[in-house]
Amino acid sequence: NAGVTQTPKFRILKIGQSMTLQCAQDMNHNYMYWYRQDPGMGLKLIYYSVGAGITDKGEVPNGYNVSRSTTEDFPLRLELAAPSQTSVYFCASSYQGTGQETQYFGPGTRLLVL
Amino acid sequence: KNEVEQSPQNLTAQEGEFITINCSYSVGISALHWLQQHPGGGIVSLFMLSSGKKKHGRLIATINIQEKHSSLHITASHPRDSAVYICAPISIKTGNQFYFGTGTSLTVIP
Repeated sequence: NAGVTQTPKFRILKIGQSMTLQCAQDMNHNYMYWYRQDPGMGLKLIYYSVGAGITDKGEVPNGYNVSRSTTEDFPLRLELAAPSQTSVYFCASSYQGTGQETQYFGPGTRLLVL
Repeated sequence: KNEVEQSPQNLTAQEGEFITINCSYSVGISALHWLQQHPGGGIVSLFMLSSGKKKHGRLIATINIQEKHSSLHITASHPRDSAVYICAPISIKTGNQFYFGTGTSLTVIP
């Protein structure tokens, strides 16, 4: 089992560019999450998905889009990158999404927008 | 005011010391997680608590639901325990979504 994988590990974007952060899990988990972690701040939920074809907004969704066409993959799209999106992005997954079970985190993608 | 407060923010200890990290929260919760973020950035789940106490090796986590407080203890601390420890309650209102504390950065010196 690879667990939760994320690509790329690090990326520099210019303001206004677009990119997709990839996330995949091989644990057959139903729930997947995208978080961002800013320096000195707690993780914030961007979007989550309860299964293929179903996504919902979290606390900080503006500037991002997601899709979930398969159970395994949950890409995060930045359409017009802004310096405020400089952050470390973590993808996570869990089986049932009850909150009373382990969430498994990917290694993170460090994004710098200049 | 943050829904989740952790203390201390930073902690330096000598190897072998007993460590306590505290977490207070203001929301009603169904459960609380403790996470460990390694210096390289990876995050792993340590505990999930909904009541009482749990122990895993040298780590002990306790929760008092009435007082809205949880603690993470590390006995006989070791330099490999150096990491950021994050408290993450699950709000009753949001169901499966975490609130996250800002973390406690622990450095254990040999």
